[in-house]
Parts: sequence; structure tokens; C-alpha cells
Amino acid sequence: EVQLVQSGAEVKKPGESLKISCKGSGYSFTSYWIGWVRQMPGKGLEWMGIIYPGDSDTRYSPSFQGQVTISADKSISTAYLQWSSLKASDTAMYYCARRQDYGDEGNAFDIWGQGTMVTVSS
Amino acid sequence: VIWMTQSPSLLSASTGDRVTISCRMSQGISSYLAWYQQKPGKAPELLIYAASTLQSGVPSRFSGSGSGTDFTLTISCLQSEDFATYYCQQYYSFPWTFGQGTKVEIK
Repeated sequence: EVQLVQSGAEVKKPGESLKISCKGSGYSFTSYWIGWVRQMPGKGLEWMGIIYPGDSDTRYSPSFQGQVTISADKSISTAYLQWSSLKASDTAMYYCARRQDYGDEGNAFDIWGQGTMVTVSS
Repeated sequence: VIWMTQSPSLLSASTGDRVTISCRMSQGISSYLAWYQQKPGKAPELLIYAASTLQSGVPSRFSGSGSGTDFTLTISCLQSEDFATYYCQQYYSFPWTFGQGTKVEIK
């Protein structure tokens, strides 16, 4: 079964660092881009960035560039999203998702992780 | 950045109704548009890609249309399990962007 399994919920204080994970299984992890999507409480979906685990090519949304770091370790089929100094406004659910390539029809996120809730509070 | 305007933000409907959700782009994106469904407490699920191609396993009551700047998601006969929030997303260029979402609620 193709799946993405994310790490568990986190409760952190402002200023702390954090790295959450997304482990792929059931497919060739290095052949598909993995994206990250934020959903703040009661709000919509925001595209943060995307990484190609095969060569670590990474693209960021301007809104998140410099605020987070996306990385991957292909040896363990895992992608990461990390913060060096969390803020209260980082409180949100974070999803990873696999980008499927449909050829001439482009691509979309076909497989999603279950989400990781990050709560930042003093 | 490509901006998206999704409407309506809230749609009240009854089981059996035909409902339509609109997504308008700030610039043309050919057919590089996807639709997702999200239920409370769950991750989004892909319904449609390439504006009109149904993802495997998605019921045929869902359909998508449009190209360029204007797109539509239609649910032909609303079922109880369809009450959820729907998002459009463009993947024409980075950064990919999502619409603001449309919540379909029971009237």
C-alpha cells in the first residue's frame, strides 16, 4: 500500500526548534516530489514548498522561504519540515503529500499524510 | 504568484441537489487544475486533476470543467458523504496555490 506516515503531534514553546517527518512506503520514494501544506486552525490550505528526494531539489513558496527548511533523507524514505525558531503563528496542522506526474496532464497531490499538529504556546 | 478566487465560500444544499463550485485564476493556467475534498479532521483527498479527469475511485457524480482562467466543480446528485470542504489548486507554476475553500453544508 502506498502511504505517507507523519510524525506525531508536537507542543513547543516560542523560540524552540522543531523537525517533523513524513515517511513514504509502498513506492519508489526517490522518484516523486513530496510537498508540504499548512492548515492553520479553521483555515484553508497553504502550499509551503516541495522537494524531490532523488536529488534534494527544493522549491519554496515566497510566503515560507526563509521561515522553514524542507529536506529529505532518501536512505530512509523520509522528508522533513523544520523550524529553527518557532512562533505562536506557526500553530497549525502540517500535511505532506506526494506529487503524482500525469504526463501531459500535469501533476497533483495524490497521496497525503495524516497530518502533524504543531502547537506553539508559552 | 497566481491568485485564485474560489466561490462561494459556503454553500447550503440538500441531499440530491446539483451543486457547482467556481474557481477563477488571476492568469491562464491551461488545464493545470486539481480539486480536493477535505472532511473534518481528515487530510484532503484528490478528486480531479487536469481540470476534468477523475482520480481513480472517485464517484462519477463528481465532474470538473474549464480551462484558462475559469473552472467549475460539479456534484450532480449530492450524497450525505459529500458534505465537506472543497479546494481548487493550480499546478501550472510554482508556487502552487490553493483556492480559499468552499464548505458544502446541509441546508
